[in-house]
Amino acid sequence: AQSVTQLGSHVSVSEGALVLLRCNYSSSVPPYLFWYVQYPNQGLQLLLKYTSAATLVKGINGFEAEFKKSETSFHLTKPSAHMSDAAEYFCAVTPRGNFNKFYFGSGTKLNVKP
Amino acid sequence: DTGVSQDPRHKITKRGQNVTFRCDPISEHNRLYWYRQTLGQGPEFLTYFQNEAQLEKSRLLSDRFSAERPKGSFSTLEIQRTEQGDSAMYLCASSSGGGSNQPQHFGDGTRLSIL
Repeated sequence: AQSVTQLGSHVSVSEGALVLLRCNYSSSVPPYLFWYVQYPNQGLQLLLKYTSAATLVKGINGFEAEFKKSETSFHLTKPSAHMSDAAEYFCAVTPRGNFNKFYFGSGTKLNVKP
Repeated sequence: DTGVSQDPRHKITKRGQNVTFRCDPISEHNRLYWYRQTLGQGPEFLTYFQNEAQLEKSRLLSDRFSAERPKGSFSTLEIQRTEQGDSAMYLCASSSGGGSNQPQHFGDGTRLSIL
């Protein structure tokens, strides 16, 4: 069975500081991995996805994530936080195959301080 | 690409009433999903359609819940005899065919509040 763990339900950084949001998956076979962002009262917007091409994946808004099989991790980073990055971030996994049911982590709320 | 559209955005109803939500996926997407999201949690899978066929239902989808996608386009999710615990955001997503590496595109959700 697939599962996703996001360490830290709340992360606070200063504007301009590095953003690091953690995601670990549990699966015997490396799944496909996604990061989504959710603003209040809105749906989820895709930031980036890993589908077994390059292990370092670049997404929108300056975010990137690195797939590390040995650590079963897919952490999300951004070199310099912007006030507009304040939102909730979800990591999701789906097993390889034809059926892409997503399993989501419980989310990390990012607060950006001026 | 007009995105995934959900209606209504908000629904307030009394316990015991029936409610129905609608989802219009991205037009060329043949896969449609429903999720439920409660406060402080990630979305939880409810059900999945490929075209008009409902291929999987979560155990979260009790017999009070029913979903349809009659013509393989829009979908409806109905909750009968609503309970307090049904209060949540109900999200719809769609994706194109192909393998499971396709991202899902989400609507803005319907927030259900049970009085």
